[in-house]
Amino acid sequence: SQQGEEDPQALSIQEGENATMNCSYKTSINNLQWYRQNSGRGLVHLILIRSNEREKHSGRLRVTLDTSKKSSSLLITASRAADTASYFCATDVGGGSNYKLTFGKGTLLTVNP
Amino acid sequence: DTGVSQDPRHKITKRGQNVTFRCDPISEHNRLYWYRQTLGQGPEFLTYFQNEAQLEKSRLLSDRFSAERPKGSFSTLEIQRTEQGDSAMYLCASSLAHMAYEQYFGPGTRLTVT
Repeated sequence: SQQGEEDPQALSIQEGENATMNCSYKTSINNLQWYRQNSGRGLVHLILIRSNEREKHSGRLRVTLDTSKKSSSLLITASRAADTASYFCATDVGGGSNYKLTFGKGTLLTVNP
Repeated sequence: DTGVSQDPRHKITKRGQNVTFRCDPISEHNRLYWYRQTLGQGPEFLTYFQNEAQLEKSRLLSDRFSAERPKGSFSTLEIQRTEQGDSAMYLCASSLAHMAYEQYFGPGTRLTVT
């Protein structure tokens, strides 16, 4: 079963707008990561946030983590058509099972030029 | 390119046939993982290797599936007597053992069983 649930399932915006995707999970985690997947391709790692961090930035990406609500958000600012992809959150519970990433169902982002 | 590679990228097979996929991890990574992703879903963990040892298999991995990593480098995933329900994207990833959560994924092999 999948631990993470992304919301919304699909998001369509215009180029230049910001896109926000949310992820909720069920059990305590060690790390939460966001990945991007272009249609029919492999996963590209975007950003990792540890359970003791609340916010992280990387270029146009901003990730927040609220462990009390078991949720995370990914903000992509000034979106581009090339950002069109599915975005997945993945969690691990750390310790001896830190290899077992559990993914949500993803958010399909469409950025219209 | 020193990323994770997978071969073939696409495979169409008839039900009942056997198929084998190959994954070449990043060369210095001692851990290798297999995931399966069906349409509209996120990837699901199947199995992983540390060097040549297969350390865990998910219950998703029926006895028709077998994976090997004979020399601790590349890995193969074989599906025997394929069924239509096996149609999916099969993703391989690799990592260093001490940073197992930081996995680098290959482009995947899309399997279609007709």
